[in-house]
Amino acid sequence: GAGVSQSPSNKVTEKGKDVELRCDPISGHTALYWYRQSLGQGLEFLIYFQGNSAPDKSGLPSDRFSAERTGGSVSTLTIQRTQQEDSAVYLCASSFRGKSEAFFGQGTRLTVV
Amino acid sequence: AQKVTQAQTEISVVEKEDVTLDCVYETRDTTYYLFWYKQPPSGELVFLIRRNSFDEQNEISGRYSWNFQKSTSSFNFTITASQVVDSAVYFCALSERYGSARQLTFGSGTQLTVLP
Repeated sequence: GAGVSQSPSNKVTEKGKDVELRCDPISGHTALYWYRQSLGQGLEFLIYFQGNSAPDKSGLPSDRFSAERTGGSVSTLTIQRTQQEDSAVYLCASSFRGKSEAFFGQGTRLTVV
Repeated sequence: AQKVTQAQTEISVVEKEDVTLDCVYETRDTTYYLFWYKQPPSGELVFLIRRNSFDEQNEISGRYSWNFQKSTSSFNFTITASQVVDSAVYFCALSERYGSARQLTFGSGTQLTVLP
């Protein structure tokens, strides 16, 4: 597709389970970003990937959160031992070489019950 | 620490009215970048504009215009002759180091409703 694709669009999980969220960036985009949007905290930066450089993990809220980007393309955000406060919409974006215009996906709505 | 304040939680206007969305920011850096994003009901964030701290020139893009004033730490967004399709949540954001979407600090957003 032409845009950033995220899957699943919705995920309901039980507290304590692990979840994986997937992001397919726009082809050719070297920069990839994850953000979280929640009612209580608003939009928060999580992690940034640029090419083969070490990722900027400064926004990850705890060590239960991790992300990887395979082959410089698809990215997976993993949340281990989910908690209710992890409930949010997780947004992924990509851009060309870290330029100003980033393109966002429609997000994955995660609900922890 | 950096902070972005969008004091207007919700605004409702009638089509063809002009509307201004306010954004006030706080930063200790002399080099920083300001952004506006639009979030329609479909959920994705749509990039509208980026401004760096050294460029206070106002910008106009069609019905959209932006007023950047360092003296008041504001970066306001005006929509002229609003349309129903402008209905969305609008976010102002700040980056102290990067001109990209890396480490953006967002405001809480303003829900704009344009009534027909």
